[in-house]
Amino acid sequence: ETGVTQTPRHLVMGMTNKKSLKCEQHLGHNAMYWYKQSAKKPLELMFVYNFKEQTENNSVPSRFSPECPNSSHLFLHLHTLQPEDSALYLCASSQDAASGYQETQYFGPGTRLLVL
Amino acid sequence: AQTVTQSQPEMSVQEAETVTLSCTYDTSESNYYLFWYKQPPSRQMILVIRQEAYKQQNATENRFSVNFQKAAKSFSLKISDSQLGDTAMYFCAFMKPLMIQGAQKLVFGQGTRLTINP
Repeated sequence: ETGVTQTPRHLVMGMTNKKSLKCEQHLGHNAMYWYKQSAKKPLELMFVYNFKEQTENNSVPSRFSPECPNSSHLFLHLHTLQPEDSALYLCASSQDAASGYQETQYFGPGTRLLVL
Repeated sequence: AQTVTQSQPEMSVQEAETVTLSCTYDTSESNYYLFWYKQPPSRQMILVIRQEAYKQQNATENRFSVNFQKAAKSFSLKISDSQLGDTAMYFCAFMKPLMIQGAQKLVFGQGTRLTINP
């Protein structure tokens, strides 16, 4: 596998379910990101991890819980979601965000989430 | 706060034509990066081109080039000899300078849906 992969690609869940989204990057990057893409809204940054440390939480509700066990893997744990949370969730990675050089972010294919 | 505006929600051209997508942004920063990403129906976000604000020369990548006007805060994308595979949503994005913790933020515009017709 190359690049950034995300599983599952599609997910349907009820408001009382608990599920997790997984992202894996095979690019040797150190920073990973979660974005939310809703219909008719620009992509919104949710979380940033740099060297496994969370460096940004963009006022995301606590029903979204990220986890970054190592620089290659990123999870988004979901619980008690609302229908308005239905969206495409994109993961991205970039190289060495602490180096002082602003690196390009490379995206995964996304998980399309539907909350019923 | 930085904002990115794409004023053309949809565009449509014939194959082989040249098309220009517009983007303006607002920032008080002097050093930053700008990007164009495309998102085809597969939803995969793909980097098209990037421009460093400190470089006066416009970036080019094969059929894709930008017209970067720093003073006007304008960053348009030109696609030459357009192909059917260029059909996609195109997003302009602004990257904020690094913060102490090393976070990088991409701020996206709302996108332009480009259709290339045969």
